[in-house]
Amino acid sequence: DAGVIQSPRHEVTEMGQEVTLRCKPISGHDYLFWYRQTMMRGLELLIYFNNNVPIDDSGMPEDRFSAKMPNASFSTLKIQPSEPRDSAVYFCASSLVPLVEQYFGPGTRLTVT
Amino acid sequence: RKEVEQDPGPFNVPEGATVAFNCTYSNSASQSFFWYRQDCRKEPKLLMSVYSSGNEDGRFTAQLNRASQYISLLIRDSKLSDSATYLCVVNDPDRDDKIIFGKGTRLHILP
Repeated sequence: DAGVIQSPRHEVTEMGQEVTLRCKPISGHDYLFWYRQTMMRGLELLIYFNNNVPIDDSGMPEDRFSAKMPNASFSTLKIQPSEPRDSAVYFCASSLVPLVEQYFGPGTRLTVT
Repeated sequence: RKEVEQDPGPFNVPEGATVAFNCTYSNSASQSFFWYRQDCRKEPKLLMSVYSSGNEDGRFTAQLNRASQYISLLIRDSKLSDSATYLCVVNDPDRDDKIIFGKGTRLHILP
Protein backbone atom coordinates (compact mmCIF):
# COMPACT_ATOMS: atom_id res chain seq x y z
CA ASP A 1 0.00 0.00 0.00
CA ALA A 2 1.22 3.51 -0.80
CA GLY A 3 0.18 4.87 2.58
CA VAL A 4 -1.87 8.01 3.07
CA ILE A 5 -1.54 10.32 0.10
CA GLN A 6 -1.95 14.07 0.34
CA SER A 7 -1.87 16.76 -2.29
CA PRO A 8 -0.55 19.27 -2.86
CA ARG A 9 2.59 18.97 -0.75
CA HIS A 10 3.09 22.72 -0.76
CA GLU A 11 0.61 25.49 -1.36
CA VAL A 12 1.28 29.20 -1.45
CA THR A 13 -1.72 31.43 -1.92
CA GLU A 14 -2.84 34.96 -1.35
CA MET A 15 -5.18 36.02 1.37
CA GLY A 16 -8.80 35.68 0.32
CA GLN A 17 -8.24 32.82 -2.08
CA GLU A 18 -9.88 29.42 -1.77
CA VAL A 19 -7.62 26.53 -0.82
CA THR A 20 -8.47 22.85 -1.25
CA LEU A 21 -6.37 20.13 0.34
CA ARG A 22 -6.81 16.52 -0.70
CA CYS A 23 -6.32 13.19 1.01
CA LYS A 24 -6.50 9.55 0.02
CA PRO A 25 -6.55 7.27 3.08
CA ILE A 26 -5.13 3.78 3.27
CA SER A 27 -7.51 1.34 1.66
CA GLY A 28 -9.70 -0.39 4.23
CA HIS A 29 -9.24 2.22 6.93
CA ASP A 30 -12.63 3.36 8.21
CA TYR A 31 -11.39 6.44 10.07
CA LEU A 32 -9.96 9.57 8.52
CA PHE A 33 -8.58 12.52 10.47
CA TRP A 34 -7.58 16.05 9.50
CA TYR A 35 -5.00 17.82 11.68
CA ARG A 36 -3.32 21.19 11.64
CA GLN A 37 0.17 21.69 13.09
CA THR A 38 1.79 24.98 14.06
CA MET A 39 4.69 25.78 16.35
CA MET A 40 2.45 27.68 18.73
CA ARG A 41 -0.45 25.23 19.03
CA GLY A 42 1.13 21.91 18.12
CA LEU A 43 -0.95 19.24 16.41
CA GLU A 44 -4.68 19.96 16.56
CA LEU A 45 -7.46 17.64 15.43
CA LEU A 46 -9.79 19.54 13.12
CA ILE A 47 -12.32 16.88 12.15
CA TYR A 48 -12.61 13.14 11.76
CA PHE A 49 -14.80 10.81 9.72
CA ASN A 50 -16.00 7.27 10.29
CA ASN A 51 -17.16 5.44 7.18
CA ASN A 52 -17.30 8.76 5.31
CA VAL A 53 -19.52 10.40 7.94
CA PRO A 54 -18.20 13.39 9.91
CA ILE A 55 -18.20 12.43 13.58
CA ASP A 56 -16.53 15.31 15.38
CA ASP A 57 -15.87 18.68 13.78
CA SER A 58 -15.44 20.58 17.04
CA GLY A 59 -11.85 21.36 16.13
CA MET A 60 -12.73 23.20 12.93
CA PRO A 61 -11.70 26.77 13.73
CA GLU A 62 -14.52 28.62 12.01
CA ASP A 63 -16.97 28.59 9.14
CA ARG A 64 -14.24 29.29 6.64
CA PHE A 65 -13.16 25.68 7.04
CA SER A 66 -15.12 22.78 5.62
CA ALA A 67 -14.36 19.12 5.03
CA LYS A 68 -15.99 16.43 2.97
CA MET A 69 -15.54 12.74 2.37
CA PRO A 70 -17.61 11.79 -0.68
CA ASN A 71 -16.32 8.22 -0.70
CA ALA A 72 -14.04 5.87 1.21
CA SER A 73 -10.96 6.80 -0.78
CA PHE A 74 -11.08 10.57 -0.91
CA SER A 75 -11.46 13.55 1.40
CA THR A 76 -11.02 17.30 1.02
CA LEU A 77 -10.40 20.12 3.44
CA LYS A 78 -11.36 23.51 2.06
CA ILE A 79 -10.56 26.97 3.38
CA GLN A 80 -12.54 29.84 1.89
CA PRO A 81 -11.49 32.60 2.18
CA SER A 82 -7.97 31.88 3.37
CA GLU A 83 -6.16 34.14 5.85
CA PRO A 84 -2.48 34.45 6.81
CA ARG A 85 -3.19 32.85 10.21
CA ASP A 86 -4.22 29.67 8.39
CA SER A 87 -0.58 29.11 7.45
CA ALA A 88 0.38 25.72 8.89
CA VAL A 89 1.08 22.13 7.98
CA TYR A 90 -2.14 20.18 7.44
CA PHE A 91 -1.96 16.44 7.97
CA CYS A 92 -4.42 13.77 7.02
CA ALA A 93 -4.32 10.47 8.88
CA SER A 94 -6.27 7.23 8.71
CA SER A 95 -6.76 4.21 10.96
CA LEU A 96 -8.68 0.93 11.05
CA VAL A 97 -10.37 1.76 14.33
CA PRO A 98 -10.00 4.62 16.78
CA LEU A 99 -7.53 4.45 19.65
CA VAL A 100 -4.99 2.50 17.66
CA GLU A 101 -2.19 3.54 15.37
CA GLN A 102 -2.98 6.40 13.04
CA TYR A 103 -1.08 6.55 9.78
CA PHE A 104 -0.25 10.08 8.73
CA GLY A 105 0.22 11.42 5.26
CA PRO A 106 3.24 13.60 4.43
CA GLY A 107 1.25 16.78 5.03
CA THR A 108 0.48 19.89 3.04
CA ARG A 109 2.52 22.96 3.95
CA LEU A 110 0.20 25.93 3.43
CA THR A 111 1.43 29.49 3.28
CA VAL A 112 -1.10 32.30 2.98
CA THR A 113 0.41 35.68 2.16
CA ARG B 1 -4.23 22.35 33.62
CA LYS B 2 -3.62 21.50 29.98
CA GLU B 3 -4.96 18.17 28.74
CA VAL B 4 -1.57 16.81 27.74
CA GLU B 5 1.64 18.51 28.78
CA GLN B 6 5.20 17.88 27.74
CA ASP B 7 8.49 19.63 28.39
CA PRO B 8 9.27 21.13 24.97
CA GLY B 9 13.02 20.72 25.46
CA PRO B 10 15.28 20.58 23.66
CA PHE B 11 17.04 17.79 25.45
CA ASN B 12 20.66 17.75 24.26
CA VAL B 13 22.12 14.35 25.05
CA PRO B 14 25.47 12.78 24.08
CA GLU B 15 25.35 9.68 21.93
CA GLY B 16 25.22 6.53 24.02
CA ALA B 17 23.57 8.18 27.01
CA THR B 18 20.20 7.36 28.50
CA VAL B 19 17.46 9.95 28.34
CA ALA B 20 13.95 10.02 29.73
CA PHE B 21 11.06 12.40 29.48
CA ASN B 22 7.57 12.52 30.84
CA CYS B 23 4.13 13.55 29.73
CA THR B 24 1.34 14.49 32.12
CA TYR B 25 -2.34 14.16 31.33
CA SER B 26 -5.34 15.76 33.01
CA ASN B 27 -8.15 13.22 32.69
CA SER B 28 -7.80 10.39 35.18
CA ALA B 29 -10.21 8.29 33.11
CA SER B 30 -7.91 8.19 30.09
CA GLN B 31 -7.16 4.63 29.01
CA SER B 32 -5.11 4.81 25.84
CA PHE B 33 -1.59 6.16 25.66
CA PHE B 34 0.95 6.32 22.87
CA TRP B 35 4.29 7.79 21.97
CA TYR B 36 4.73 9.09 18.43
CA ARG B 37 7.94 10.25 16.85
CA GLN B 38 8.15 13.14 14.40
CA ASP B 39 11.28 13.90 12.41
CA CYS B 40 11.92 17.44 11.21
CA ARG B 41 9.49 18.40 8.44
CA LYS B 42 8.01 14.90 8.40
CA GLU B 43 4.77 13.34 9.56
CA PRO B 44 4.28 11.79 13.01
CA LYS B 45 4.73 8.03 13.23
CA LEU B 46 3.76 5.66 16.01
CA LEU B 47 6.75 4.73 18.15
CA MET B 48 4.98 2.57 20.70
CA SER B 49 1.81 2.11 22.68
CA VAL B 50 1.99 2.40 26.46
CA TYR B 51 0.53 -0.44 28.48
CA SER B 52 -0.48 -0.40 32.12
CA SER B 53 2.31 -2.71 33.17
CA GLY B 54 4.92 -0.85 31.15
CA ASN B 55 6.47 -2.14 27.97
CA GLU B 56 9.79 -2.29 26.23
CA ASP B 57 10.78 -2.30 22.58
CA GLY B 58 14.50 -2.65 22.12
CA ARG B 59 16.16 0.44 23.56
CA PHE B 60 12.83 2.10 24.29
CA THR B 61 10.82 1.67 27.49
CA ALA B 62 7.42 3.22 28.11
CA GLN B 63 5.73 3.39 31.48
CA LEU B 64 2.43 4.57 32.87
CA ASN B 65 1.93 6.07 36.31
CA ARG B 66 -1.81 6.33 36.88
CA ALA B 67 -1.55 7.71 40.40
CA SER B 68 0.42 10.74 39.23
CA GLN B 69 -1.15 10.78 35.77
CA TYR B 70 1.90 10.69 33.62
CA ILE B 71 3.58 8.47 31.08
CA SER B 72 7.27 8.28 30.44
CA LEU B 73 9.62 7.31 27.65
CA LEU B 74 13.14 6.13 28.32
CA ILE B 75 15.72 5.71 25.59
CA ARG B 76 18.87 3.73 26.36
CA ASP B 77 22.13 3.82 24.43
CA SER B 78 20.87 6.76 22.40
CA LYS B 79 21.78 6.98 18.70
CA LEU B 80 22.15 10.01 16.47
CA SER B 81 19.09 8.75 14.60
CA ASP B 82 16.99 9.14 17.75
CA SER B 83 17.07 12.91 17.25
CA ALA B 84 13.43 13.88 16.71
CA THR B 85 10.39 15.30 18.45
CA TYR B 86 8.51 12.83 20.63
CA LEU B 87 4.76 13.36 20.89
CA CYS B 88 2.67 12.05 23.74
CA VAL B 89 -0.86 10.97 22.81
CA VAL B 90 -3.75 10.37 25.20
CA ASN B 91 -7.45 9.71 24.69
CA ASP B 92 -10.13 11.90 26.28
CA PRO B 93 -13.05 9.74 27.43
CA ASP B 94 -15.14 12.84 28.13
CA ARG B 95 -15.07 13.77 24.46
CA ASP B 96 -15.85 10.48 22.73
CA ASP B 97 -12.28 9.29 23.19
CA LYS B 98 -10.91 12.10 21.11
CA ILE B 99 -7.18 11.67 20.69
CA ILE B 100 -5.13 14.53 22.14
CA PHE B 101 -1.55 15.12 21.05
CA GLY B 102 0.98 16.84 23.25
CA LYS B 103 3.15 19.53 21.66
CA GLY B 104 6.14 17.29 21.83
CA THR B 105 9.60 17.11 23.37
CA ARG B 106 12.55 17.82 21.10
CA LEU B 107 15.54 15.52 21.48
CA HIS B 108 18.97 16.22 20.03
CA ILE B 109 21.56 13.47 20.24
CA LEU B 110 25.05 14.95 20.10
CA PRO B 111 27.96 13.09 18.47
